[in-house]
Amino acid sequence: GESVGLHLPTLSVQEGDNSIINCAYSNSASDYFIWYKQESGKGPQFIIDIRSNMDKRQGQRVTVLLNKTVKHLSLQIAATQPGDSAVYFCAENGNFNKFYFGSGTKLNVKP
Amino acid sequence: DAGVIQSPRHEVTEMGQEVTLRCKPISGHDYLFWYRQTMMRGLELLIYFNNNVPIDDSGMPEDRFSAKMPNASFSTLKIQPSEPRDSAVYFCASTLGTVSGYTFGSGTRLTVV
Repeated sequence: GESVGLHLPTLSVQEGDNSIINCAYSNSASDYFIWYKQESGKGPQFIIDIRSNMDKRQGQRVTVLLNKTVKHLSLQIAATQPGDSAVYFCAENGNFNKFYFGSGTKLNVKP
Repeated sequence: DAGVIQSPRHEVTEMGQEVTLRCKPISGHDYLFWYRQTMMRGLELLIYFNNNVPIDDSGMPEDRFSAKMPNASFSTLKIQPSEPRDSAVYFCASTLGTVSGYTFGSGTRLTVV
């Protein structure tokens, strides 16, 4: 099946700095992507999504960038806060309504 | 809405025993998914349903695993007999429509000893 991978398993940032989490996907036919946040003991929570007809989408303090040429996805978090500490997953819609998840990046926010 | 509800939150069982995990999707959602999460393999899709009908069970690891959705508000994932390597967090998720983000439950942490 499709594979979705992450470059960095752990990312540590200072509170107030911006964070960038990267993701590579393998299926060039994927047309919908989602970033999820998972806090300890909880299920993944939807953060932001983007469709393949877009390059960039902004939410509240978060921005997702999609580069279809190199099959790369990134999540930018502005002014990172302690509450942003979690594991972040990218997911691609590879086949109908099946999403394939990356292995996750752990974000540590240092006060 | 209370979101996707899973029970139990934690389950500890002995090898060889039958385990049943339960899920109540969000009312009105027409898709339901079962995922398994481990440190080694991450989030793996086991099976998903559309309008209570199993659509794709290619992720179900073995015949020991079975899932049912008798109605729109309830689904079960059963493991019989359970083995230590089945220890993981099992998530249920639901969504409305063909391409949209899932809403996940809080998961069931299964430990098979």
